[in-house]
Amino acid sequence: DAGVIQSPRHEVTEMGQEVTLRCKPISGHNSLFWYRQTMMRGLELLIYFNNNVPIDDSGMPEDRFSAKMPNASFSTLKIQPSEPRDSAVYFCASSLAGGLLNEQFFGPGTRLTVL
Amino acid sequence: LAKTTQPISMDSYEGQEVNITCSHNNIATNDYITWYQQFPSQGPRFIIQGYKTKVTNEVASLFIPADRKSSTLSLPRVSLSDTAVYYCLVGRSSASKIIFGSGTRLSIRP
Repeated sequence: DAGVIQSPRHEVTEMGQEVTLRCKPISGHNSLFWYRQTMMRGLELLIYFNNNVPIDDSGMPEDRFSAKMPNASFSTLKIQPSEPRDSAVYFCASSLAGGLLNEQFFGPGTRLTVL
Repeated sequence: LAKTTQPISMDSYEGQEVNITCSHNNIATNDYITWYQQFPSQGPRFIIQGYKTKVTNEVASLFIPADRKSSTLSLPRVSLSDTAVYYCLVGRSSASKIIFGSGTRLSIRP
């Protein structure tokens, strides 16, 4: 299995631009998670889906952030408009069963820099 | 979610056994203890999970005393490649939140 696939691996954009991060979970996994990691705040859960349905998005920092999961094999995290403080590494993870404490498999991350 | 406390950093040498302790005084009855490992520039990787006593897999052992207010991740005979940040998480599968915290930065020297 290829594992969780994220694209792009690196993204540099200017403030005010729209950014879309993509994730392909491991085939057969029913849960998908989006995280953000910064030096200051550590690893934070933004949102997670069970069977393509968003379960908890209370970690999404503000309305500029949105996430979708149109099918079991694809999810996007969109930031519009982007701001310099959004600069971080964004991880996508998936797990076989629902529940945050079940083993999660993380992707390689997308390093986002907003100038 | 149970609050966890673990050392910010630890140093050791190749071939040594490393024990990282996590305190979780307010662990609930249904909570499990989970450890993740994160290498630089990579996403976290699940290491081990346990509820009580001792759990062992090919990577590590997890020791949990009877009162479950702490747990110890044991890495046998570490190598340079075990240099990473180790996170202790406590909670139940049905929890709506997950907190990775600051983790323990383990540095292995030759």
